[in-house]
Amino acid sequence: SQQGEEDPQALSIQEGENATMNCSYKTSINNLQWYRQNSGRGLVHLILIRSNEREKHSGRLRVTLDTSKKSSSLLITASRAADTASYFCATGNQGAQKLVFGQGTRLTINP
Amino acid sequence: DTEVTQTPKHLVMGMTNKKSLKCEQHMGHRAMYWYKQKAKKPPELMFVYSYEKLSINESVPSRFSPECPNSSLLNLHLHALQPEDSALYLCASSHPRDRASILNTEAFFGQGTRLTVV
Repeated sequence: SQQGEEDPQALSIQEGENATMNCSYKTSINNLQWYRQNSGRGLVHLILIRSNEREKHSGRLRVTLDTSKKSSSLLITASRAADTASYFCATGNQGAQKLVFGQGTRLTINP
Repeated sequence: DTEVTQTPKHLVMGMTNKKSLKCEQHMGHRAMYWYKQKAKKPPELMFVYSYEKLSINESVPSRFSPECPNSSLLNLHLHALQPEDSALYLCASSHPRDRASILNTEAFFGQGTRLTVV
């Protein structure tokens, strides 16, 4: 299966701290995307990193990609209560023509 | 307009009912998707439409029948569902750069339809 595995499954930190989530996958990819999902709602796209990129930033988000280790990490700096959500990585494989989601990390930011 | 609109937001149906979920986008996206999501699980792909043609069916039971009437609309027809089909059904769209690379851009998701089968 191409499905990503995320680590940790759940993370609880204090507001203002940094949160790091990791994603590993099994097959070669075209790109890797990160999405956020607030409880019971739709997913919101956060960032897309292509297979030839190693790092990408967007506001308080920093994503890294290591294709040799088939892994990616999402760092959220200076966390806020509003960052409380589930975060999913999703991999796109050209051959399969589909986006497959990892198991997700449930992030809780405590005020 | 960067929205994907799904209706209804909530649906309760009996196992003998026929109902339809609707999804609409006006972003000019030519790829549209149906995902199913159970509680505390990731979304699971059901169908992909690329340029109004069904390109992927993830071995979904025939009681789920997708339809793409035009480039802006995507329907999911439901018939004779089982209680285990209760889930959040998510529609998404993306704008592929060409017919061979539908995955190279971000996907926009609707808020989902919470389906309960009784």
